Order: sequence, then structure tokens, then C-alpha cells
Amino acid sequence: GESVGLHLPTLSVQEGDNSIINCAYSNSASDYFIWYKQESGKGPQFIIDIRSNMDKRQGQRVTVLLNKTVKHLSLQIAATQPGDSAVYFCAECPHGTYKYIFGTGTRLKVLA
Amino acid sequence: EAQVTQNPRYLITVTGKKLTVTCSQNMNHEYMSWYRQDPGLGLRQIYYSMNVEVTDKGDVPEGYKVSRKEKRNFPLILESPSPNQTSLYFCASSSRTGAAGSGELFFGEGSRLTVL
Repeated sequence: GESVGLHLPTLSVQEGDNSIINCAYSNSASDYFIWYKQESGKGPQFIIDIRSNMDKRQGQRVTVLLNKTVKHLSLQIAATQPGDSAVYFCAECPHGTYKYIFGTGTRLKVLA
Repeated sequence: EAQVTQNPRYLITVTGKKLTVTCSQNMNHEYMSWYRQDPGLGLRQIYYSMNVEVTDKGDVPEGYKVSRKEKRNFPLILESPSPNQTSLYFCASSSRTGAAGSGELFFGEGSRLTVL
């Protein structure tokens, strides 16, 4: 199995409940943020993104909230399903650079 | 189908034996990048390229080389692999142009490399 999930904080939620995954970003100059989902044995997959001129963006069952004052990003997953079990991590892009800076991730476990 | 393709997906090699991990994208993206993923450390950037013939070091470039002769390909070269390069490697591309604006990274499926 995959070893990249070792040492990660874990969030366990009941199937059907809502999940909230948090991320603190580091660079106040970051103007673009992305949430990724990584399932075991796979590459990271895009979930949702947000520009710094927005506070909230919604997708299908997911919502991203951005609080620039405290440099905090969150991902909300509504009605969590077993298929949502994965490692989730955020990425920030500082303005004026080509860099994508990744968080270390949170493992989401969905309990049946 | 839009995708980033890496090869090989799995490789076991020995110290000092040169190897290349290929990466190809079919989305006409200008930006491509290589990352390594290790437990507890997240994704760390090795090298990136803003366009053909334009490459630059990321956070952990030591022991690696890259080239960008064509827009779609961005191979990662380990001239003399060492055990500390045992890792899971990801290639990614993005439509992000210039050093601003949006543009998600599209990732390949990963290449698990073991150096004995």
C-alpha cells in the first residue's frame, strides 16, 4: 500500500455527515489556492480552486472558504461518502511566482 | 482525454545506474514540473519549466536534471541515483501562464522509484 499517508493528521467522519478539512497557508502574497484529493496509488486530483479576490466558492458537494486575514483555507464536503476517503491537501500560489506550495495533507476516513 | 503520462510507474534500480523518467502531457500546457512525495514531507518541487528550453530549480534539485526540448515532454534524469532518491515522483502540467492567475496542476499517476 501507499506510504505517503503515514504521519498525517486524520479526520474520521460518519458517512452522510459533513467534513471540514483545514489548511493554514504561509505566504500572504499567495493569490490562488487549490484543493487536491489523493487516493491510494494515484496522483493528486483537482477538487476546487479559489482566487484571492473571493471568500467562498462552491462546487458539487464541496465548498472552499478563504480567510486571508488569518491565512486559512478550508474545504467542506457535504454528505461525505465512502469514496471521499483519501488524503486531501491544499496548494497556494504566491503572486509573481510559478511556485505551487503544498501542505502536507489530511487523511479523511469515512466510517460506514 | 487530457492527461499527464509518466513512465515507468515502478522501477527498482541500483546506486549509480543512470535512469530517466519520462513525462508527456497532451494539453498544450506551457508549465510543467516534477515533484517528489515522501512520508510526512508532502510534495516537494524538484524542477519546473515555464516553456520550451526554459527550466529552473525547485526546492530539491540536487541529484536531478531535466530537459524541455518539446512542449509536451519533460523528462526527469537521475545521472547517478542514490538511495536517498527512493521516492514517489509526480510530473505535473498547468495552463498557468505568466507568474499570476489561475491554473490548476494536472498530475500524472506517479512513478515509484527504489534505489538499492
